[in-house]
Amino acid sequence: DPKIIQKPKYLVAVTGSEKILICEQYLGHNAMYWYRQSAKKPLEFMFSYSYQKLMDNQTASSRFQPQSSKKNHLDLQITALKPDDSATYFCASSQYGGAGAETLYFGSGTRLTVL
Amino acid sequence: GDSVTQTEGQVALSEEDFLTIHCNYSASGYPTLFWYVQYPGEGPQLLFRASRDKEKGSSRGFEATYDKGTTSFHLRKASVQESDSAVYYCALSADSNYQLIWGSGTKLIIKP
Repeated sequence: DPKIIQKPKYLVAVTGSEKILICEQYLGHNAMYWYRQSAKKPLEFMFSYSYQKLMDNQTASSRFQPQSSKKNHLDLQITALKPDDSATYFCASSQYGGAGAETLYFGSGTRLTVL
Repeated sequence: GDSVTQTEGQVALSEEDFLTIHCNYSASGYPTLFWYVQYPGEGPQLLFRASRDKEKGSSRGFEATYDKGTTSFHLRKASVQESDSAVYYCALSADSNYQLIWGSGTKLIIKP
């Protein structure tokens, strides 16, 4: 059974709309992350959360907002969608999320296409 | 700043060929080095990691040795199979970072 669940697997949106990408992890981890993967940037870090607190944000645009309602949830809200936002978005988790060498566990991704 | 360089964007081999994917890094101190593999339609998954000079990581027939002298962590496999077709990422974790520093990835294509 997958330990990190991302929903939906595929998502098509129109320019200017808003979407929420869902992520739940069942590994008992305390840290969660969002990454983006596109043809332009193979694997791009976006956010990290540890114990439901934002630890790092490398996303320049405020259109991307993570939402953590529970320790094992980290959703990603994207507003005012643009075609350039088309990418596969991966959720990941790790045991603690502190600085240092933790192994990341990834979900299978949500492929977003913005028309 | 810290960085990881993978020189091969794509490698095409036949089954049973020897594989080398080069990874060089730039970081102070002793970063932990990782190899992740991403199969089509999936997220990356850890292949193995190494934390100190001369340490060898290995899994599924793949191996790499941490070399602080040459700042390298090259991935090797003696005999590749079609099932090894994937994208391979080298990454590092420095003490001061909350995030991994990723290489650009190397797509491995195995011709049957």
